[in-house]
Amino acid sequence: EAQVTQNPRYLITVTGKKLTVTCSQNMNHEYMSWYRQDPGLGLRQIYYSMNVEVTDKGDVPEGYKVSRKEKRNFPLILESPSPNQTSLYFCASTSWGHYGYTFGSGTRLTVV
Amino acid sequence: AQRVTQPEKLLSVFKGAPVELKCNYSYSGSPELFWYVQYSRQRLQLLLRHISRESIKGFTADLNKGETSFHLKKPFAQEEDSAMYYCALSESAGGTSYGKLTFGQGTILTVHP
Repeated sequence: EAQVTQNPRYLITVTGKKLTVTCSQNMNHEYMSWYRQDPGLGLRQIYYSMNVEVTDKGDVPEGYKVSRKEKRNFPLILESPSPNQTSLYFCASTSWGHYGYTFGSGTRLTVV
Repeated sequence: AQRVTQPEKLLSVFKGAPVELKCNYSYSGSPELFWYVQYSRQRLQLLLRHISRESIKGFTADLNKGETSFHLKKPFAQEEDSAMYYCALSESAGGTSYGKLTFGQGTILTVHP
């Protein structure tokens, strides 16, 4: 089944403890992206990647890192999480000319 | 900078009534517009792409470049249409920022029986 898989689905952590949210897609998509969803703010793009080793900042990149060493994987790294990064995070992927991202199920992160 | 505005946070209609979810955008280049839907406790799903000019689940949307709008319409709303709807914009394929997809704030549609 074609899908975008994120792990974990739920995560509670403490301020300052580094964490990684994984994202994997099995559709051979070139483009992958991370979003955060907050009430009243909708979805905001954190980072996106056009292909392996090619990434660019979205609208809210501060406090996040990404890497794209393999085409299928696009992990989101929070080096020093803070409470304002408590949010629902979505990973998504698409291919050139396909139009429209396919989204993962989301990761609900709480930073205390 | 690209921007998408959905002026209504909440929209309530009765079953069988027409529904229109508004979306306006700001973009200097040639945009691609989308509507996504998020049902309760589910992931976002692509509903419509303006380039396809398709009708999905009875919904249609027309890109009006003069008014920079991409409103979503359905002539007869159903209870199962209740969900969060997002309008989104990206640069056209071939552009250097093709992967950058900007969303509006979303509109929660509630269809009452």
